[in-house]
Amino acid sequence: GESVGLHLPTLSVQEGDNSIINCAYSNSASDYFIWYKQESGKGPQFIIDIRSNMDKRQGQRVTVLLNKTVKHLSLQIAATQPGDSAVYFCAETGGGADGLTFGKGTHLIIQP
Amino acid sequence: AAGVIQSPRHLIKEKRETATLKCYPIPRHDTVYWYQQGPGQDPQFLISFYEKMQSDKGSIPDRFSAQQFSDYHSELNMSSLELGDSALYFCASSEGSDRVNYGYTFGSGTRLTVV
Repeated sequence: GESVGLHLPTLSVQEGDNSIINCAYSNSASDYFIWYKQESGKGPQFIIDIRSNMDKRQGQRVTVLLNKTVKHLSLQIAATQPGDSAVYFCAETGGGADGLTFGKGTHLIIQP
Repeated sequence: AAGVIQSPRHLIKEKRETATLKCYPIPRHDTVYWYQQGPGQDPQFLISFYEKMQSDKGSIPDRFSAQQFSDYHSELNMSSLELGDSALYFCASSEGSDRVNYGYTFGSGTRLTVV
């Protein structure tokens, strides 16, 4: 079946560096994409979202890029901080009350 | 700001018992979603409700059922519990609008342990 997946299960970066987390999706009907951060034992926390009619969206220290041609989504975190350590999931949906399809998480590890 | 409230936070049940999980969405959110997350796994969509009607169905076992009430809170009923049902169960809510839902927000989850 169609799914959303991440390229790497673990990403280790130095504190202060920029982090890039990638995601590939296969459902061409997806029109809404969300990045979530999840800390151990907690619920997914919304980071940033993007709709299919956009290719870039920026938030505070985060940027999401969407390439619909190759069905690729990325999350860029600027100046990574220790508090950014978590598992990051991308998720997609066709909209409405459809459930989200999550990709496999990427564990972001921050090295001092 | 009000968030999605789930209760209980932790629940321990024996095999073949039943469990009921509750979810109170953010005020004015009319859509509720249930997800199951096993250890080290990504959340898996179970079921959703929009305006008190079932809207979308995912990988919810037949032993589970759910409903959304007039005040928009939702309950997930789980029967004949199995060891494999041990997981974190998350509820999320959003404001439905013309097939584009805004503000997906997750609760803190209920950790169900079946022994």
